[in-house]
Amino acid sequence: GAVVSQHPSWVICKSGTSVKIECRSLDFQATTMFWYRQFPKQSLMLMATSNEGSKATYEQGVEKDKFLINHASLTLSTLTVTSAHPEDSSFYICSALGLLNTGELFFGEGSRLTVL
Amino acid sequence: AQKITQTQPGMFVQEKEAVTLDCTYDTSDPSYGLFWYKQPSSGEMIFLIYQGSYDQQNATEGRYSLNFQKARKSANLVISASQLGDSAMYFCAMREALGNEKLTFGTGTRLTIIP
Repeated sequence: GAVVSQHPSWVICKSGTSVKIECRSLDFQATTMFWYRQFPKQSLMLMATSNEGSKATYEQGVEKDKFLINHASLTLSTLTVTSAHPEDSSFYICSALGLLNTGELFFGEGSRLTVL
Repeated sequence: AQKITQTQPGMFVQEKEAVTLDCTYDTSDPSYGLFWYKQPSSGEMIFLIYQGSYDQQNATEGRYSLNFQKARKSANLVISASQLGDSAMYFCAMREALGNEKLTFGTGTRLTIIP
């Protein structure tokens, strides 16, 4: 099946710094990527929908200036957590929708962010 | 109203037994898809099975089957002959045709298989 890769898989940073997480579709072109956040023992909550070549669409309550999303190519979307704070510590997962929509979304392995 | 409801926060099942994980959904969109994902402790989301709203037959994938009851808006996952490796979180999710392809997840069920 299609592969979606996230990097880094885990990151620890100091409060106030910015962290970039990459989501790549390795063997297919993804017109749309989704970014989810998952707090411990909770479900996945959609943060934003990222479309190649256009601005991301953010879900209600998600600060677009804090969570910057860039989808510059058909194989790469990035999520930058700006001025990270301890409450931003979470598991961030991306998923990708291919050009040929087979009905399945492919998920990355996730990135665990810990802000000290 | 919750779009996806999973009422079982946790379940314990003896190895080799079958287990049913409940999922009900709420939508007014006539075209939708229902998914089940497995999330082990490593965090990755593993796709298990998919059911389209217009599919006439219940989906099956190996030991996984989906008991789709459209009138009751339920899409329960059945795992036959459970194995120790089935211990994980299980999420039911829905994608609506008018929902821009995004998935909405339930709160999940933590399944523990007892040897």
